[in-house]
Amino acid sequence: DQQVKQNSPSLSVQEGRISILNCDYTNSMFDYFLWYKKYPAEGPTFLISISSIKDKNEDGRFTVFLNKSAKHLSLHIVPSQPGDSAVYFCAATLTSNNDMRFGAGTRLTVKP
Amino acid sequence: NAGVMQNPRHLVRRRGQEARLRCSPMKGHSHVYWYRQLPEEGLKFMVYLQKENIIDESGMPKERFSAEFPKEGPSILRIQQVVRGDSAAYFCASSPGTGVNQPQHFGDGTRLSIL
Repeated sequence: DQQVKQNSPSLSVQEGRISILNCDYTNSMFDYFLWYKKYPAEGPTFLISISSIKDKNEDGRFTVFLNKSAKHLSLHIVPSQPGDSAVYFCAATLTSNNDMRFGAGTRLTVKP
Repeated sequence: NAGVMQNPRHLVRRRGQEARLRCSPMKGHSHVYWYRQLPEEGLKFMVYLQKENIIDESGMPKERFSAEFPKEGPSILRIQQVVRGDSAAYFCASSPGTGVNQPQHFGDGTRLSIL
């Protein structure tokens, strides 16, 4: 069962523009959501997270939005930079067990 | 480097052999998680362990796969009698505990290839 879905396998944007990566989940019990960034031949690195009691969390150029009623979250990167080119994974978990479910990832390419 | 250490980085096995993947968590972390990433797919949760205990193994295949996290030493993911379908990248993550503000930190993975 795929409880977390990232329906766009790839996204290409121009440097300086906004990148919007989307994620949907099916399990309404999830109460904590995370975004990880992954470069080739490396492990995922934590980027930003949001609790279900919030609808927005911002950290520098990165903002995550959560729409609980739609079971949807998104990651906004603005302005996008070539170094942001990577695969981005959305993850969801229950804070009671920290057992994360990942989406399939979206490969972001930022063109100079 | 105080990060999560996985070894080997690459492992090649023939069908029927055993594969052992090791993971040393970050210093101070007592929770270890194993994930598998098949080509062109996301990370799939396999198992969650604390020292000497398996907490959740709902993602582990029922046969041939086992995991342990002994009191001393690294966590081990063991795959017996490997088959071609076991070829994947296996990632280990660790955290100091559960709950918010304790995200999992990942190692760089072991790439397992089955000939």
